[in-house]
Amino acid sequence: KNEVEQSPQNLTAQEGEFITINCSYSVGISALHWLQQHPGGGIVSLFMLSSGKKKHGRLIATINIQEKHSSLHITASHPRDSAVYICAVSQYSGGGADGLTFGKGTHLIIQP
Amino acid sequence: KAGVTQTPRYLIKTRGQQVTLSCSPISGHRSVSWYQQTPGQGLQFLFEYFSETQRNKGNFPGRFSGRQFSNSRSEMNVSTLELGDSALYLCASSSDGIANGQFFGPGTRLTVL
Repeated sequence: KNEVEQSPQNLTAQEGEFITINCSYSVGISALHWLQQHPGGGIVSLFMLSSGKKKHGRLIATINIQEKHSSLHITASHPRDSAVYICAVSQYSGGGADGLTFGKGTHLIIQP
Repeated sequence: KAGVTQTPRYLIKTRGQQVTLSCSPISGHRSVSWYQQTPGQGLQFLFEYFSETQRNKGNFPGRFSGRQFSNSRSEMNVSTLELGDSALYLCASSSDGIANGQFFGPGTRLTVL
């Protein structure tokens, strides 16, 4: 069973700051997912990656397969980035892909 | 394209009752997964259905079951409800499976009294 650890659990920053959220996992994976959850519950999938780096607007996600570690960066943070960011991993087993295993999430607050 | 829809959005039940939640995936998606989110345990995987077959199952008791219909719509059933089943239940759809990215529905918030 994969263990997924996120840090920090809570992060408060000022608008414009560069944000980094970290995720580490214990067992080899097929893909790592970064999710965003706003108050009210809706979840948006931000990135899915199995190697290297992906960028979408002000968001950047990187993964180091050897170190079993991923980071999510937010450049020029804005109050609308305030949300819970969740790291999740998927693995392949004999019967197909296992379900996602989730980290506990990072609660990010960006103050104006 | 319409997104993933879940009904009902809110539900209140009492202990011992059973409940059925519904999920309509994005058109063309054949994979539907279900998740439970609680303040204590966070998000946990319940099961995945693909083309009407359960492909994976998480570590939940048999009171939690599901099914998928030929149009890919899925239902999740919880029997003999317990207080601890109070949670946000999310479904997500994908064209071909979890590992290739999913789109989440808004969730059904279940309260068990």
